[in-house]
Amino acid sequence: DAGVIQSPRHEVTEMGQEVTLRCKPISGHNSLFWYRQTMMRGLELLIYFNNNVPIDDSGMPEDRFSAKMPNASFSTLKIQPSEPRDSAVYFCASSHLSGEAFFGQGTRLTVV
Amino acid sequence: EDQVTQSPEALRLQEGESSSLNCSYTVSGLRGLFWYRQDPGKGPEFLFTLYSAGEEKEKERLKATLTKKESFLHITAPKPEDSATYLCAAKYGDYKLSFGAGTTVTVRA
Repeated sequence: DAGVIQSPRHEVTEMGQEVTLRCKPISGHNSLFWYRQTMMRGLELLIYFNNNVPIDDSGMPEDRFSAKMPNASFSTLKIQPSEPRDSAVYFCASSHLSGEAFFGQGTRLTVV
Repeated sequence: EDQVTQSPEALRLQEGESSSLNCSYTVSGLRGLFWYRQDPGKGPEFLFTLYSAGEEKEKERLKATLTKKESFLHITAPKPEDSATYLCAAKYGDYKLSFGAGTTVTVRA
C-alpha cells in the first residue's frame, strides 16, 4: 500500500482565498483524522471520521473550517476564507478500528 | 486535564552514546501510549504502542517501556540516521490522541 496520500504537499495562498486539502486514506482503514501541526501548539486533532461519518469536530477552530468524507477513499479539509494564522502543516491520518494511526506526508499551508 | 509532557526538548548525542527520552502523562483511562518518529518535512511514522505498565517493545536500537505515569524511549548505541523528532501520544477514549511536544534528537558521527 502507498500509505496515506495527501495533496498538495505545499500550498501558498492569499488571505481571503479558499483552500482545499485532500487526503486518500489507506485502503481498509475505517477511521480518518485531520491534524494541524504548529511550533506553538504541536499536533492538534481537528476532526475525526469513522466509517465516513464525522464523529468529533470539536477541534475545528471555527466555522471557516469544514471537512467532508464522501466515501471511504477520499476526504477534504476546506478553509474559507483563509487567514494568515491558518498557516501550518496539516496532516491526514487513518487507522483500522482502534489501532495505531498512520500519517500522510502533510500539506504545508502558507497564507500571506 | 489530560496532558502529555516530553523531556528533554532537545538531545544531542555522539554516535554510540546511549540515552533515554521521557514521556510523562496525566491521562485518565489510558487506552495506549504511542511513540512516533518524525523527520523534517514528513509525517509522523509509527514506532510502538504500549498498553500496560511493565510492557516493553523493541525495534532495532529503540526500546520503549511503560509505567503507570510515564514512558521511556531508550536509544542504544545511536547512529546519525536515528536523528529525528520523537513524539509520544497518549490515547484516551476510543480515538483521541494527546501528543507531547516532542524530543528532537541529533546524533553526531
